[in-house]
Amino acid sequence: EAGVTQFPSHSVIEKGQTVTLRCDPISGHDNLYWYRRVMGKEIKFLLHFVKESKQDESGMPNNRFLAERTGGTYSTLKVQPAELEDSGVYFCASSLLLPNTEAFFGQGTRLTVV
Amino acid sequence: AQSVAQPEDQVNVAEGNPLTVKCTYSVSGNPYLFWYVQYPNRGLQFLLKYITGDNLVKGSYGFEAEFNKSQTSFHLKKPSALVSDSALYFCAVRGTGANNLFFGTGTRLTVIP
Repeated sequence: EAGVTQFPSHSVIEKGQTVTLRCDPISGHDNLYWYRRVMGKEIKFLLHFVKESKQDESGMPNNRFLAERTGGTYSTLKVQPAELEDSGVYFCASSLLLPNTEAFFGQGTRLTVV
Repeated sequence: AQSVAQPEDQVNVAEGNPLTVKCTYSVSGNPYLFWYVQYPNRGLQFLLKYITGDNLVKGSYGFEAEFNKSQTSFHLKKPSALVSDSALYFCAVRGTGANNLFFGTGTRLTVIP
């Protein structure tokens, strides 16, 4: 069974440009989460989808970040326009819609804004 | 407020020796606690979790963790470290009724041959 996959694995963009990250969750996982880790700090929650609906987006830093999950399958996270402080590793995770199940993470997308 | 503290950025241990990676937490309600490991150039891998029941939880690769409610701790342990255990370890907590995980800052474990 395929795990959570994320594209691209690395992205280097200039300040002011737009970047779109993609996450393909494990098939059948209705929960989908986005997290971000800035160098050396904790992994911070960004938002949570249940199927195609945003359940909780309290962790989104500002309105330059837009996440979608059309059709309840894969998700995209767009940063527009990117700023230097957006650099970090963006993780996607998915889990079954059952209580207390563990989330499975992708390998992350390392975003560098220069 | 929910939070996780991993007080050690770096833990070094000799191969064959026991290892401990520390984690304390703060959460509303009953805690659901997790350990994840990140090997170089890989995603986070689930190691083990505590939901309820026995305070000692056994997980993958010979790791275990002990839930201590009075000390609000969930330390990760292994009786005999392997060089291949060298990685970045994250503790995470989820409170009752919450959906998302709160992570610590991570602890880099280095097992010295």
